[in-house]
Amino acid sequence: NAGVTQTPKFRVLKTGQSMTLLCAQDMNHEYMYWYRQDPGMGLRLIHYSVGEGTTAKGEVPDGYNVSRLKKQNFLLGLESAAPSQTSVYFCASLSPAWRNTIYFGEGSWLTVV
Amino acid sequence: KNEVEQSPQNLTAQEGEFITINCSYSVGISALHWLQQHPGGGIVSLFMLSSGKKKHGRLIATINIQEKHSSLHITASHPRDSAVYICALFGNEKLTFGTGTRLTIIP
Repeated sequence: NAGVTQTPKFRVLKTGQSMTLLCAQDMNHEYMYWYRQDPGMGLRLIHYSVGEGTTAKGEVPDGYNVSRLKKQNFLLGLESAAPSQTSVYFCASLSPAWRNTIYFGEGSWLTVV
Repeated sequence: KNEVEQSPQNLTAQEGEFITINCSYSVGISALHWLQQHPGGGIVSLFMLSSGKKKHGRLIATINIQEKHSSLHITASHPRDSAVYICALFGNEKLTFGTGTRLTIIP
């Protein structure tokens, strides 16, 4: 998925640890999203941002924080990881003003033990 | 009731068959997207629709705004089409996803 990079791709955390996932895009997109994907549940929105310095809660925001200090980066933080946060995390970006195509990162596999 | 519903959840077909996957939604939208997710996780965008019909190779996507319904068709299906197909709504700044249709094409 050209243009959207997620780091790290794999991580194992112990309960209570904190970590940050980084989503970076080089397409000057205004809108960026963080989702989690769990078996049988589809992609669920955690937080999103419609521009630099703005963030908003999605469907499942509890236990996560986000920041968008630069337009190209959207960070997802886990404050105190719990086993229920074991999931695959996807970042997506789009620009409504330009073709409205969605671009996804490759996913970040997180396991909390 | 979920804002977006896909059917069927699972679909197995023989190579060469014509495939239809449906997406119904209950909210106002700016656009509807069809996405493909292969084993291993990567998600790619297939179509963005705001009205009418689009075609790309063997894939055709249609949308009926009045009926709040979209379909994705695959002609002459091939085993490499095996994937999860996801419908996504864009509206009010948010992207909302269906749970996906798992398609398996048997040679």
